[in-house]
Amino acid sequence: AQSVTQPDIHITVSEGASLELRCNYSYGATPYLFWYVQSPGQGLQLLLKYFSGDTLVQGIKGFEAEFKRSQSSFNLRKPSVHWSDAAEYFCAVGVNTDKLIFGTGTRLQVFP
Amino acid sequence: EAQVTQNPRYLITVTGKKLTVTCSQNMNHEYMSWYRQDPGLGLRQIYYSMNVEVTDKGDVPEGYKVSRKEKRNFPLILESPSPNQTSLYFCASSFAPWETQYFGPGTRLLVL
Repeated sequence: AQSVTQPDIHITVSEGASLELRCNYSYGATPYLFWYVQSPGQGLQLLLKYFSGDTLVQGIKGFEAEFKRSQSSFNLRKPSVHWSDAAEYFCAVGVNTDKLIFGTGTRLQVFP
Repeated sequence: EAQVTQNPRYLITVTGKKLTVTCSQNMNHEYMSWYRQDPGLGLRQIYYSMNVEVTDKGDVPEGYKVSRKEKRNFPLILESPSPNQTSLYFCASSFAPWETQYFGPGTRLLVL
């Protein structure tokens, strides 16, 4: 069955530090891959997405993600975290061209 | 302003009392879906709709109904709510499942 795994439930970083959030998926074909961010009390906003082509994808707010087929991963990165990045981050996989499966999320806390 | 609206935003009800959560989008999107968000479980898709009069089950459809009589509206119906349906519900819309999902602000439901 298709699935998305975000192994880190909670991550804490200092402001200015680099960040990597992990996402692994299980799906037979190459999926559509997404990262969404949810700020406290808000809905979700798309950070970036991958369909095909260049495996390094740039998104909004200085985020990027890299698709690694051999590892079934789509990790999210940011070189320098800002306090406003504190939020919950969800990886999602599009399967069968009609469904989205979300991971369980990673809560990011940023210390000054 | 392009948006997805949900009503009500907060709802407290009792077991067995039918309720409807409305969802409306003004972006002429074909694809709409409902998710529930629970701690530790992330977002799980309840139902989705590829277009008017076309709906399909997501991963957790039990206890829910939907309809898509008009392109802009996609109400979620709980015929006989139970306490295990206490959750945060999000409606989302997009032109296609693999396109950017636009999320509503969420509806927090408590079933006593």
